[in-house]
Amino acid sequence: SAVISQKPSRDICQRGTSLTIQCQVDSQVTMMFWYRQQPGQSLTLIATANQGSEATYESGFVIDKFPISRPNLTFSTLTVSNMSPEDSSIYLCSAGGGIDYEQYFGPGTRLTVT
Amino acid sequence: KQEVTQIPAALSVPEGENLVLNCSFTDSAIYNLQWFRQDPGKGLTSLLLIQSSQREQTSGRLNASLDKSSGRSTLYIAASQPGDSATYLCAVSEEYGNKLVFGAGTILRVKS
Repeated sequence: SAVISQKPSRDICQRGTSLTIQCQVDSQVTMMFWYRQQPGQSLTLIATANQGSEATYESGFVIDKFPISRPNLTFSTLTVSNMSPEDSSIYLCSAGGGIDYEQYFGPGTRLTVT
Repeated sequence: KQEVTQIPAALSVPEGENLVLNCSFTDSAIYNLQWFRQDPGKGLTSLLLIQSSQREQTSGRLNASLDKSSGRSTLYIAASQPGDSATYLCAVSEEYGNKLVFGAGTILRVKS
């Protein structure tokens, strides 16, 4: 199994600012995923991050708002740009591997935008 | 487009009861299905993974079944305990290494 850590665990940010969330995996993985969980909702995929190529964004999410970096096989960052209160959510990263491709999740970053 | 539905949305049971959580998906062409647990304000813990070729998986008091052709999975929890109180999420992946599509979850409360 993979162990995934995220930083920060939570933050309170002002409208119009940006926050970068870090995700570290304890083993090399091909793909990492970034999800958003809005209050009381389930998880929605923001983008898939492959090492060495640009991230692939889901419908409704754009690179200017959620730029992603993937500099190596164990690390990724998600930036939430020009934040508004509607961006208040839990942001989670995940990765998988093994023959079954079981996916594991980080503890999440709880973001509050005021 | 794959859609995942979970029933019931919420469930409250007395301690010791056996219970079943249901998950259905619209496209049966899945690679695998995972059940997760999420405690309030926390990340997800993987409980069980079932490959598309499998019928069930067991871990302790948990048993997950899969009927791929009908697009259904169930999570059976035996002898429920207050510590089982959490949100349970079902998710499917359509190919190896691909994203997960999540259901809305079932909020479980086990009363002591």
